Amino acid sequence: DTEVTQTPKHLVMGMTNKKSLKCEQHMGHRAMYWYKQKAKKPPELMFVYSYEKLSINESVPSRFSPECPNSSLLNLHLHALQPEDSALYLCASSPPGGLGEAFFGQGTRLTVV
Amino acid sequence: AQSVTQPDIHITVSEGASLELRCNYSYGATPYLFWYVQSPGQGLQLLLKYFSGDTLVQGIKGFEAEFKRSQSSFNLRKPSVHWSDAAEYFCAGARYNQGGKLIFGQGTELSVKP
Repeated sequence: DTEVTQTPKHLVMGMTNKKSLKCEQHMGHRAMYWYKQKAKKPPELMFVYSYEKLSINESVPSRFSPECPNSSLLNLHLHALQPEDSALYLCASSPPGGLGEAFFGQGTRLTVV
Repeated sequence: AQSVTQPDIHITVSEGASLELRCNYSYGATPYLFWYVQSPGQGLQLLLKYFSGDTLVQGIKGFEAEFKRSQSSFNLRKPSVHWSDAAEYFCAGARYNQGGKLIFGQGTELSVKP
């Protein structure tokens, strides 16, 4: 199984809502990532988890809150988002120690209204 | 600072013609290098990767790329393009032991003419 599964595929939320994005992998990878991709732009790294611990936060606003409950799951909790946060959110995973490529999920298309 | 540059924002080729997408990198040491492809609204699919060793790497869907240290380049090639190859192509780099912490180029949009 070389898949990274993200749910939901599409999400529309209001600026006062709380929602969560989910990501799951069963490849035994111990590094997991959240990337944000605006239209016509490359993905930009948001967070890195290594062995279930947050290792990198690329100065992401606190309205985005990541969580890694176990080695297979990665969540991104969303609260009080702004319309400019509308984007494709991509989850990825890679083998332990960073000695390999990242596998990406299909993304969650988020629209903030 | 590390960077990856794709000089061509948009390329159009005829179906059956050859393709070369350019990528230049700037890293303190030889990075891991990747080419990913993205169809509209979809995630990224890895086409090929270079970690070390043989400088000509083969990937999926008939793509190949050549690492040239002297030119700091990692160009993607395909001898004969198919209409289904139309997509956005991203070159990306990562430091040693940080294979998932990617720095992407700006992307090249490939259009294929019938």
